[in-house]
Amino acid sequence: DTEVTQTPKHLVMGMTNKKSLKCEQHMGHRAMYWYKQKAKKPPELMFVYSYEKLSINESVPSRFSPECPNSSLLNLHLHALQPEDSALYLCASSQPGQTIAKNIQYFGAGTRLSVL
Amino acid sequence: SQQGEEDPQALSIQEGENATMNCSYKTSINNLQWYRQNSGRGLVHLILIRSNEREKHSGRLRVTLDTSKKSSSLLITASRAADTASYFCATALNQAGTALIFGKGTTLSVSS
Repeated sequence: DTEVTQTPKHLVMGMTNKKSLKCEQHMGHRAMYWYKQKAKKPPELMFVYSYEKLSINESVPSRFSPECPNSSLLNLHLHALQPEDSALYLCASSQPGQTIAKNIQYFGAGTRLSVL
Repeated sequence: SQQGEEDPQALSIQEGENATMNCSYKTSINNLQWYRQNSGRGLVHLILIRSNEREKHSGRLRVTLDTSKKSSSLLITASRAADTASYFCATALNQAGTALIFGKGTTLSVSS
């Protein structure tokens, strides 16, 4: 099973709402990632979790709050977002370590978020 | 900020033709990867080339790497309509290789 599952597929929220994006993988990967992708742009790294601990935060605003409750799950909690936060949010996973093959990341289909 | 810069930004070809897209990067790398993204979907890993490799093949894909020029190319031979997608090169942001930074991407359109 090489699948990363993201829910929901689409989300519309107001600027005062609180919502969460969910990501799940059962490949035994111990590194998980959140990326943000605007239309016609490449994915931009937001957060990296390695062995359930936050290892990289790419200066993401605090209105985005990641959480990794266990090795299979990754959440992104959203609060007081702005319209410019509307984007495709992608989750990915990989097996951390120095072996080059472990650099390969497996992506979910994404959550398309619209902030009104 | 992007590590890689792809060109062309967009490429339109007919089925059966070959498609070549290029990527340049800025810093030293351990490896370089290429990913494909169908419209509005997640990315799919295509191929990884190590810094000590010059060329690598996988099916209809051929990747080259020139570390002296900090550039890579992806060749798709005998293109099919199903190859229509965006293609991104990616390099690692960190030593562990766990954080990828993607190039701007090339949008390939293959018409039948």
